[in-house]
Amino acid sequence: NAGVMQNPRHLVRRRGQEARLRCSPMKGHSHVYWYRQLPEEGLKFMVYLQKENIIDESGMPKERFSAEFPKEGPSILRIQQVVRGDSAAYFCASSRESYAYEQYFGPGTRLTVT
Amino acid sequence: AQSVTQPDIHITVSEGASLELRCNYSYGATPYLFWYVQSPGQGLQLLLKYFSGDTLVQGIKGFEAEFKRSQSSFNLRKPSVHWSDAAEYFCAVAPLGGYQKVTFGTGTKLQVIP
Repeated sequence: NAGVMQNPRHLVRRRGQEARLRCSPMKGHSHVYWYRQLPEEGLKFMVYLQKENIIDESGMPKERFSAEFPKEGPSILRIQQVVRGDSAAYFCASSRESYAYEQYFGPGTRLTVT
Repeated sequence: AQSVTQPDIHITVSEGASLELRCNYSYGATPYLFWYVQSPGQGLQLLLKYFSGDTLVQGIKGFEAEFKRSQSSFNLRKPSVHWSDAAEYFCAVAPLGGYQKVTFGTGTKLQVIP
């Protein structure tokens, strides 16, 4: 059973470009969580999605960031008009149910904005 | 609001020595408690978790943690550290019941010297 997959693993974008981060949850998991890890900091919750629904986006910046988890395909975290401060590691986790203790993490996408 | 404090940013221990990483949490009731490990450039791996019952929890890789309600602590221990344990360790909490987002501490970087 493959784990949580994220791609790309590394992404470089110039200021003003768009970044698209993909997350494929573990087989049988329909709950996805996105976290951001800034340098020298812990992980901060961004958003929690179920298939076709955003359940909790209280950790998402109000502008430029959006997330989706369509019926088919991976979850996408989209950052429009990236700025240097968006440089971070973005981790996706998935779970079978909505219980926090079942979250399994992907390897992360490291975004660098130049 | 729930919060997690890991007071030690960096810890250095000799290989074979014992290890204790500190974690204190703030929450109105006993939450779910977790310890994760992150190797450089990797995602997070769950070491152990506590929900209820025996306050001494055994995890993978020879780690254990003890929940102390009176001190709001959940310290991670290992009797004999191996060089491969060098990594960053995160304590995390989530309230009991239903969906709740996980709150992470800022992490403790462990260095192991020969």
